[in-house]
This record gives sequence, C-alpha cells and structure tokens, in this order.
Amino acid sequence: LAKTTQPISMDSYEGQEVNITCSHNNIATNDYITWYQQFPSQGPRFIIQGYKTKVTNEVASLFIPADRKSSTLSLPRVSLSDTAVYYCLVGDINSGYSTLTFGKGTMLLVSP
Amino acid sequence: GAGVSQSPRYKVAKRGQDVALRCDPISGHVSLFWYQQALGQGPEFLTYFQNEAQLDKSGLPSDRFFAERPEGSVSTLKIQRTQQEDSAVYLCASSLGRALFFGPGTRLTVL
Repeated sequence: LAKTTQPISMDSYEGQEVNITCSHNNIATNDYITWYQQFPSQGPRFIIQGYKTKVTNEVASLFIPADRKSSTLSLPRVSLSDTAVYYCLVGDINSGYSTLTFGKGTMLLVSP
Repeated sequence: GAGVSQSPRYKVAKRGQDVALRCDPISGHVSLFWYQQALGQGPEFLTYFQNEAQLDKSGLPSDRFFAERPEGSVSTLKIQRTQQEDSAVYLCASSLGRALFFGPGTRLTVL
C-alpha cells in the first residue's frame, strides 16, 4: 500500500503559482511531511518540512490541514528553472529511515 | 560550504565485475544514507549509518551489496559480481536532523 499519492505530472506557465497536493491517509502521529525537488542528473534537494498548519520559507509554503491526511506544496511565481520532479515524503526518522519512501514524485513542467 | 560529494560520477562495469562507490558526507553529519534510483523512479532506500554503525540495511537488494563507514565519515558502497539489473544511479545523503542532503549520485551502467 503506497504511503503517499501525488499527481504524476503538472504543467504551468512562468509567473503562475503552482500547488502540488500529496495524499497520505495513513499518516502516523509522529510522522513529518517533507518535500524534495530533483533536477535531472542531480540528487534530491530539501525544500520544506512541516508537521501541521502552515510552514513558509524563502522558496515555498507547505499547507497541512488539521487531519494531516494531505498536504499541499505551494510554489509562488514559478520560473522555467522550477521544472523538476517534486517528491512528498511522510515518515518519522525515529521509526527508521527506511520508512521514508520517495514514491514516483510529480513532474512539474513550467513553460514560457 | 562543501556539500555531499560522490565518486566516480559515472561507472561502466562488465557483468560480473566488482565495483566500489565512494561518498564523502558533509563534515560533522552523523547520519549517512545510500539510495538506489532506477530510471524514471524515485530513490529507494538501501542502508543507513549513524557514525560508523550500520543501523539499517533492510533495503540492500542482495548479499552482493555491502556498505561500510569504518571511521564514521567517508562511506563506500560495494557491489560484487554486478548484474545488469544493478544499473541505476546510487545516491548518498547525509543528515544532522530531519532533512537529507544528497550528493549528485554515481550512475552505474552494467553491460
């Protein structure tokens, strides 16, 4: 049973806001939600992490509803360089790193 | 500052050969991980070290895969008698807390 579900792909245009939603119906009490970005021929890069409500940094925002069964990564005013694969991970490091599964991610394509 | 580095970046091996992949984590990072990423797929967990101790190797696909981190810093992933299905990108990551910092990976092609 997959731990997280994300759209396979999304398309957007430069300057738009992009929201990628991840479903994690079986999230456990101690689980955190983490998003990574991966460009071709590079390793994944940490974007943002949260437990509940809203988290914002200089790159993105993460919205987590009260039931924590989903989360939404929000990228403001995307540019061509935001074209990448985005992974949502759910897990608790204290339960073992093998529980942090990447899944197939969401391929975001930003066009001019 | 320096990030996670991996070498070689590319490795071509003939089936049956042994290979060794090196990872230099970020200085001071206690935790080190190895992942395998097949083409078009997300990274899959292989093994985890805390300092020199290998605490989780549940993701290693067979006993041909072996990882070590003898001094708690540099790590080596060794694959014996390589098979074509071992062709993938091998990613190393290090961590101080809940975020993983990945290296660029080593692309292994087994002919």
